[in-house]
Amino acid sequence: QVQMQESGPGLVKPSETLSLTCLVSGDSLTYYYWTWIRQSPGKGLEWIGNIYYTGTTDYNPSLKSRVTMSVDTSKNQFSLKLSSVSSADTSVYFCARHASRLYFDYWGPGILVAVSS
Amino acid sequence: DIQLTQSPPSLSASVGDRVTIICRASQTITSYVAWYQQKAGKAPRLLIHSTLSLQSGVPSRFSGSGSGTDFTLTISNLQPEDIATYYCQQSYRSPQTFGQGTRLE
Repeated sequence: QVQMQESGPGLVKPSETLSLTCLVSGDSLTYYYWTWIRQSPGKGLEWIGNIYYTGTTDYNPSLKSRVTMSVDTSKNQFSLKLSSVSSADTSVYFCARHASRLYFDYWGPGILVAVSS
Repeated sequence: DIQLTQSPPSLSASVGDRVTIICRASQTITSYVAWYQQKAGKAPRLLIHSTLSLQSGVPSRFSGSGSGTDFTLTISNLQPEDIATYYCQQSYRSPQTFGQGTRLE
């Protein structure tokens, strides 16, 4: 059974960089795409981007200029960096496995990140 | 981006009811639709992928159908634990997008 867990600061100051990590257990990162999705309070789901185990990425154009994803297969984890954050980036951030690049079959519980001074 | 519009935004139903949620895409997405259930404070849970394939462990009262631009999620014999918000998602073209959700009360 795949389990995923997000970690990182719960509070980030405006204009700084949000950094999160997702630790995957129960399966290898190999041969899968791994995803970050966010959900603003009381709102819907927004796909941030994917990373393949090789490091190939695909970002949402709406966030592309501020997003960097990376993968560490030795630690079985992948990471998200979102730069120049503002209050609009306050959200619950989820990591998930993107099976066959078609659907998200395993999710972490999510981590609330607030942007505030 | 491909827009997904769900209807209704919310609906009220009773135990034992049959419930249908509609997801309409702004352009054809063939069969690349998935449905998720999200309960308050929890991560979404995959129910159905590829329009009609039931994810392992999901009760058979959930079913999906559709093609092209119009897709439906049906819950037959509604149970109390089905109270949640439901989202559709397309993977036909990047960026992946989600519907705005349907709250089942």
